[in-house]
Amino acid sequence: AQSVTQPDIHITVSEGASLELRCNYSYGATPYLFWYVQSPGQGLQLLLKYFSGDTLVQGIKGFEAEFKRSQSSFNLRKPSVHWSDAAEYFCAVGARGGSYIPTFGRGTSLIVHP
Amino acid sequence: DSGVTQTPKHLITATGQRVTLRCSPRSGDLSVYWYQQSLDQGLQFLIHYYNGEERAKGNILERFSAQQFPDLHSELNLSSLELGDSALYFCASSVASGGKDEQFFGPGTRLTVL
Repeated sequence: AQSVTQPDIHITVSEGASLELRCNYSYGATPYLFWYVQSPGQGLQLLLKYFSGDTLVQGIKGFEAEFKRSQSSFNLRKPSVHWSDAAEYFCAVGARGGSYIPTFGRGTSLIVHP
Repeated sequence: DSGVTQTPKHLITATGQRVTLRCSPRSGDLSVYWYQQSLDQGLQFLIHYYNGEERAKGNILERFSAQQFPDLHSELNLSSLELGDSALYFCASSVASGGKDEQFFGPGTRLTVL
């Protein structure tokens, strides 16, 4: 079964600074990878996803993520954070076969200082 | 707006009671997933239905049950409620049921058990 770890429970950045949220996964092959964002009082919204091909994927709201097979990582990045990016971010891993239910990480809470 | 609707938005009830949470998936989506989100457990997968049939079970208690109706809406029934059942319950839908399917989340139902 797949598993996913988000090592940082909270991340604090200043508005305009760059951001990187970490995600590490465990899976026997290349999984399907997702990043979701949850704004306060809202459900989760997909930011981006990786299935195959180019390891750098672009998402909505100016986010990108890079799949690194050698490090089993799928870190989320944004070059300049806006105050509206303050939210909870979830990395998720989906299996290509067998148990297809995605596994979600515990989430990273992003705090943005003005 | 994800197109997934959940009712009610908030629910306050007492221990020992039974409640029903309702979810309407996006138009055209055949899969419905239920998740429980709490501070200590994070986002936990409960159960998945595809076109009326149960496809996968996660960490769902025996006191909880769900079903998906012919019109594809789904209900999650929680009975003999305990204080620890207080949580956000999310419904998500997707077109099919594979590991690469993007899930669209509803706004959630916040359950408070007193």
